[in-house]
Amino acid sequence: QITLKESGPSLVKPTQTLTLTCTFSGFSLITNGVGVGWIRQPPGEALEWLALIYWDDDKRYSPSLRSRLTITKDTSKNQVVLTMTNVDPVDTATYYCAHRHPSHSSTFDIWGQGTMVTVSS
Amino acid sequence: DIQMTQSPFSLSASVGDRVTITCRASQGITTYLNWYQQKPGKAPNLLIYGASSLQSGVPSRFSGSGSGTDFTLTISSVQPEDFATYYCQQSYSSLYTFGQGTKLEIK
Repeated sequence: QITLKESGPSLVKPTQTLTLTCTFSGFSLITNGVGVGWIRQPPGEALEWLALIYWDDDKRYSPSLRSRLTITKDTSKNQVVLTMTNVDPVDTATYYCAHRHPSHSSTFDIWGQGTMVTVSS
Repeated sequence: DIQMTQSPFSLSASVGDRVTITCRASQGITTYLNWYQQKPGKAPNLLIYGASSLQSGVPSRFSGSGSGTDFTLTISSVQPEDFATYYCQQSYSSLYTFGQGTKLEIK
């Protein structure tokens, strides 16, 4: 059974760096085709894809946030970490990590429960 | 980026109604189109992948169709538990994008 869980601070100040960790089980990030993505959702708004890391350490970022995001993986700990620099109140959102299926249209088939992050001074 | 446009933004339906939500991509994405359902306070739940394949465990009243740029999600007979927000998402480009969502409300 695949599970993912996000963790990180619930409150960060503007201009600080946000670090979120996705801890997963039930799959390995060294399996061909597998990936883990990050998606966020501001309160009352739509989903926004942020970043994706693949089993081979290839990485993709949302063009609008690319300069502020870094995604890394630690396969020994079954974790994926997303860092976002220079946060702003508009970054207030629920942040989700999700498992990218190796086939099935490369979809995000399993999601974590999400973690709410508020950016405020 | 590939832009995904859903319509309508919201719709009202009664239990038992047939409902259709559309999603249009700004360029061709073959069948790399996925549909998610999201209920308040919960993570999205995958319904359909590859435009028309039903995710395991999803009721058969949900179906998807389309290819290229135009796609639809159909609920053949809406049930009380189906009132939620629905999102399409393209995975053709490695820069994934979501539609803006369609909220299905009770009439």
